[in-house]
Amino acid sequence: SQKIEQNSEALNIQEGKTATLTCNYTNYSPAYLQWYRQDPGRGPVFLLLIRENEKEKRKERLKVTFDTTLKQSLFHITASQPADSATYLCAPNTGFQKLVFGTGTRLLVSP
Amino acid sequence: GAVVSQHPSRVICKSGTSVKIECRSLDFQATTMFWYRQFPKQSLMLMATSNEGSKATYEQGVEKDKFLINHASLTLSTLTVTSAHPEDSSFYICSASSSGTGAEQPQHFGDGTRLSIL
Repeated sequence: SQKIEQNSEALNIQEGKTATLTCNYTNYSPAYLQWYRQDPGRGPVFLLLIRENEKEKRKERLKVTFDTTLKQSLFHITASQPADSATYLCAPNTGFQKLVFGTGTRLLVSP
Repeated sequence: GAVVSQHPSRVICKSGTSVKIECRSLDFQATTMFWYRQFPKQSLMLMATSNEGSKATYEQGVEKDKFLINHASLTLSTLTVTSAHPEDSSFYICSASSSGTGAEQPQHFGDGTRLSIL
């Protein structure tokens, strides 16, 4: 069955450093993959989308890579700030406009 | 732009009650809406996909008679949890995709409904 894996342990980093979050998937080949941010008690917020034919996508301090051979996406936040503290969800597509979500990785940025 | 409003944000009710949750796209037309369920520290589990004017498509293991979905317009979808029991207590979240062409539409989420059945 399709499986999405994200680090379940929280990632603690210091302000100003680069945070790198990993998403691995198995048993299928998504055409695209999306990343979302979720704060406690709130719905997820869309951040970035990357297609299978794209190696890298950037938006301000965010960068996403997509390696279809490794079946992995990496999500980077450069110059991290305490306000970046949240849970980040990886979501490859499984069909037309349909996504499957990972459990998310909680990021804690300390001042 | 792309704001989705979900109401109510929290419901506490007795076992056996039916509960209706509304999901509205405020500034765009949503061809497709999705309903998810999320348990603490777990991922969002897709329950059903709802297209305006047609019957919802339910995921395997989700009882369609238990979770009634109506998508009567391009801006409103409702989820009714019928005869709710304590095991139905969860965080329910809706999302909407705009009527763009192609499959790569981001989903815009509401802020969820915390349902607690006593």
